[in-house]
Amino acid sequence: EDQVTQSPEALRLQEGESSSLNCSYTVSGLRGLFWYRQDPGKGPEFLFTLYSAGEEKEKERLKATLTKKESFLHITAPKPEDSATYLCAVRSNDYKLSFGAGTTVTVRA
Amino acid sequence: DAGVIQSPRHEVTEMGQEVTLRCKPISGHNSLFWYRQTMMRGLELLIYFNNNVPIDDSGMPEDRFSAKMPNASFSTLKIQPSEPRDSAVYFCASTQRDFYNEQFFGPGTRLTVL
Repeated sequence: EDQVTQSPEALRLQEGESSSLNCSYTVSGLRGLFWYRQDPGKGPEFLFTLYSAGEEKEKERLKATLTKKESFLHITAPKPEDSATYLCAVRSNDYKLSFGAGTTVTVRA
Repeated sequence: DAGVIQSPRHEVTEMGQEVTLRCKPISGHNSLFWYRQTMMRGLELLIYFNNNVPIDDSGMPEDRFSAKMPNASFSTLKIQPSEPRDSAVYFCASTQRDFYNEQFFGPGTRLTVL
């Protein structure tokens, strides 16, 4: 069964203080690693999909990278509006996503 | 595009009552998913439909749960009878079935069973 472990559980940052979130996974044949952002009271919002080791994707202050065993979400010079829970998920067939528990990021002004 | 629409947004009911959650997927999407999110178990897939046909219901916790998709623009998740342990946020998501496509989530229904 696919397993996804995210660390840390929570991250408190000062505005401008860059950091990274980790997503470790075990999957029988990766068909995509997904990063979602979830704000309180809302559904997850898609950020990135990565398919192969070495792949990188960027969006504003976020950059996702992928190795054969883990993915990192780097937040560069975060702002308070980057505060959210970030969810990692893996797909090992053509439809099922297995989610991690998430990392809750709080950015203080 | 209005995105995935779910109703109601909040539901409070008493144990033993029937609960029906509703979802309208994004127009043109042919795959629909129901998820449940709790603090203890995170986000779990309950059931997956493709072209209105249930493909994988292995995540449905027990026979009290049932889901239907009578047409491409509407799906329901029913719990009968409801129990306090069913309290959670239920999300519906849709996508155009394709190896590469991401799922788009609705705002969720927060269910509280007293």
